[in-house]
Amino acid sequence: SYELTQPPSVSVSPGQTARVTCSGDELADQFVYWYQQKPGQAPILVIFKDTQRPSGIPERFSGSTSGTTVTLTITEVQPEDEADYYCLSTDSSVTFRVFGGGTRLTVL
Amino acid sequence: VHLVQSGGGVVQPGRSLRLSCATSGFIFDNFGMHWVRQAPGKGLEWVAFVSSDSANTYYRDSVKGRFTISKDSSEKTLFLHMNSLRGDDTAVYFCARGDSLDSWGQGTLVTVSS
Repeated sequence: SYELTQPPSVSVSPGQTARVTCSGDELADQFVYWYQQKPGQAPILVIFKDTQRPSGIPERFSGSTSGTTVTLTITEVQPEDEADYYCLSTDSSVTFRVFGGGTRLTVL
Repeated sequence: VHLVQSGGGVVQPGRSLRLSCATSGFIFDNFGMHWVRQAPGKGLEWVAFVSSDSANTYYRDSVKGRFTISKDSSEKTLFLHMNSLRGDDTAVYFCARGDSLDSWGQGTLVTVSS
């Protein structure tokens, strides 16, 4: 079965830049979506179609791609950015969705 | 856009349960819909998708043949019918809208236990 790989954790100090990666064999050909989830809450979409930011999401959130790895970058990290972040994409059949295992961002 | 879920609870193994996701604020017939679940302390897991016109449905392997996703256009409501429930189906279940999963319900807890 298709898998997306994320680092389990990333830690940064306030004001620094956090980078969360997501790797998968099909990512060069399929879009990736990123979600932020805080404890006890539903996920929120922060990046869609690799690099697009929904309205209402701060400009410090951005997405980029390089081959089979995509990256969520958060510049000037704020304490409120502390959360779990998940990538989502599809397999080559474009019918089944797959989430990465999630990355816990800790703001020190 | 609002997605309001209902129907969770405690159910014995082998029994059935139906989850609902009532929607408002957008044209329901224009969007495919998803169910996503999250086991306690675990990550997000995609469960099922129904296309905007209900012509196509897709499921993860572990629920295929046991779960059925459906849309009711007249009620603007998404459903997940879950049969033959197992302990590993215990999770918070979320509904989500569209290709981007850009709006989510609040989640509802399903606990499968004897």
